[in-house]
Amino acid sequence: KNQVEQSPQSLIILEGKNCTLQCNYTVSPFSNLRWYKQDTGRGPVSLTIMTFSENTKSNGRYTATLDADTKQSSLHITASQLSDSASYICVVSAGTGTASKLTFGTGTRLQVTL
Amino acid sequence: EPEVTQTPSHQVTQMGQEVILRCVPISNHLYFYWYRQILGQKVEFLVSFYNNEISEKSEIFDDQFSVERPDGSNFTLKIRSTKLEDSAMYFCASSVLAPGEQFFGPGTRLTVL
Repeated sequence: KNQVEQSPQSLIILEGKNCTLQCNYTVSPFSNLRWYKQDTGRGPVSLTIMTFSENTKSNGRYTATLDADTKQSSLHITASQLSDSASYICVVSAGTGTASKLTFGTGTRLQVTL
Repeated sequence: EPEVTQTPSHQVTQMGQEVILRCVPISNHLYFYWYRQILGQKVEFLVSFYNNEISEKSEIFDDQFSVERPDGSNFTLKIRSTKLEDSAMYFCASSVLAPGEQFFGPGTRLTVL
């Protein structure tokens, strides 16, 4: 069964600090891995998407890494801001062709405080 | 910037009633999806739709659920006879390609009483 596990479940950091969120997955056949930001009561918004051959991808202060051998990914947030407070969800896509199914992790709830 | 829209934002219904959740995907997208998120839980895939037919569906998407693209712009999810456990946030998403980046709508919160 395809699974995506994330850690930590929640995290509180001071504004301006960096943090790293972790994702482990068992998804087959692997297509790509995405990180989404989800504000409370809103739909997920894509931050990065990486295929099998990509090791790292950045989007502003967000940098995602992927180790396809160990089936691990991380999301690093640099110089956090209050607006970074949200859930960060690791999502792995399996399959090819016209059917694309995403397996969502449970997310890491990040709170950035003053 | 184009975005996926969903209506209504909140739907309250009685158990056993039919509900239709509506979505307008991004206009040049070809693949459409419905997901649900029960409060406090992770997002779960329901169904994907392409070329006017279901591409894939999860075990959650049973005979009580159906999807339709009634015209060139709308994409709907119908729940025939709602149950209490259908209470959740329902997200529509669309993408140009599959697999490709999916853009999510803001969601419809469904409350079944």
